[in-house]
Amino acid sequence: GAVVSQHPSRVICKSGTSVKIECRSLDFQATTMFWYRQFPKQSLMLMATSNEGSKATYEQGVEKDKFLINHASLTLSTLTVTSAHPEDSSFYICSARQGEYQPQHFGDGTRLSIL
Amino acid sequence: AQKITQTQPGMFVQEKEAVTLDCTYDTSDQSYGLFWYKQPSSGEMIFLIYQGSYDEQNATEGRYSLNFQKARKSANLVISASQLGDSAMYFCAIPPLSGNTPLVFGKGTRLSVIA
Repeated sequence: GAVVSQHPSRVICKSGTSVKIECRSLDFQATTMFWYRQFPKQSLMLMATSNEGSKATYEQGVEKDKFLINHASLTLSTLTVTSAHPEDSSFYICSARQGEYQPQHFGDGTRLSIL
Repeated sequence: AQKITQTQPGMFVQEKEAVTLDCTYDTSDQSYGLFWYKQPSSGEMIFLIYQGSYDEQNATEGRYSLNFQKARKSANLVISASQLGDSAMYFCAIPPLSGNTPLVFGKGTRLSVIA
């Protein structure tokens, strides 16, 4: 089946650090990838839609300069949390799909803790 | 706009019993699909089962089956012979109206399986 690899699974770092999270589709090409944030006991909150070779589309309220998204190839998208602060601590999860009516396959998520 | 409603924030079921998780949806599409995902406490989102709106039979995947009632716009997930490992959050989802946006998720149901 389709596999999405997300790395790292857990990050603990100091305030002011920038953190990069990678999302790879291992056995399929994903023209579109999605980045979510999830708070405890809540559903997934879409942050942005990432398209290969073009700028990401951010949801309202998500700071583009804070959460930099790059989708350099059909198998890789990265999310960089720039100058992270404690309020950025959360669970971030990426997702990719092969086509509109195909299931979205998710990475295992990244638990980000900013001290 | 697409909408998913999951009215049960939490459910309990005895081990080895069957349980039904409710999902109703709203869509203006004539052709659509419904997805169910499982999210254990470790965080990963696991695709469980898909039902196409024009599929004549209810979808089944192992112990998972969909009770799809198109006229009622409901796509309930049935888990038979519950196991302790089934304890997790379960999300119902529907594809968007436009192609380049992600699945629309419900708020989820937390299932707890009791020994």
